[in-house]
Amino acid sequence: DAGITQSPRHKVTETGTPVTLRCHQTENHRYMYWYRQDPGHGLRLIHYSYGVKDTDKGEVSDGYSVSRSKTEDFLLTLESATSSQTSVYFCAISRDRVSPLHFGNGTRLTVT
Amino acid sequence: DAKTTQPTSMDCAEGRAANLPCNHSTISGNEYVYWYRQIHSQGPQYIIHGLKNNETNEMASLIITEDRKSSTLILPHATLRDTAVYYCIVRGYDRGSTLGRLYFGRGTQLTVWP
Repeated sequence: DAGITQSPRHKVTETGTPVTLRCHQTENHRYMYWYRQDPGHGLRLIHYSYGVKDTDKGEVSDGYSVSRSKTEDFLLTLESATSSQTSVYFCAISRDRVSPLHFGNGTRLTVT
Repeated sequence: DAKTTQPTSMDCAEGRAANLPCNHSTISGNEYVYWYRQIHSQGPQYIIHGLKNNETNEMASLIITEDRKSSTLILPHATLRDTAVYYCIVRGYDRGSTLGRLYFGRGTQLTVWP
């Protein structure tokens, strides 16, 4: 939807291993976002980017890092995965800071 | 802080209008009201947004009270495919703490029955 591809769609990993999730867009939108969704918490913003190499923290950024070296790609990295990071991760994009966000279909991550 | 209050669940008969309320009593003058919905296992889908005037698009209508403390999303002819969780969100655009980010609450589970 809206030219957003998240990969992988599902991943199972072990505690302590590094994990990188990828968000790729074909819309040439400036803003990109990473959210996580957990039962009882709704969607919570992890990090967002407002341009190439420009990123900022969201409300639950601890344990996560991001990089954006190209307009179309926004990577989310868990340097050392923990069980509390088991979640569904959604990427979103927006043309600018006043346009609606459009979401990808998510990555389901399980940390054992 | 999601800044909005919505009922946990609602039901609606197929073909009837679904009216989903939202309270946002602390909304500030530069904050918009957004509505999204999420069907199980999919990403949230944008529906509509507005500042103070009523808005309509091909999916829904948004009615915002004059004092802007509450709003109602209207799906004029609900179908079974409209069964989803609906999120009401306020979104500001000032530089600084928000920069256009969305904060989601827990939403309303709308169930459309035949």
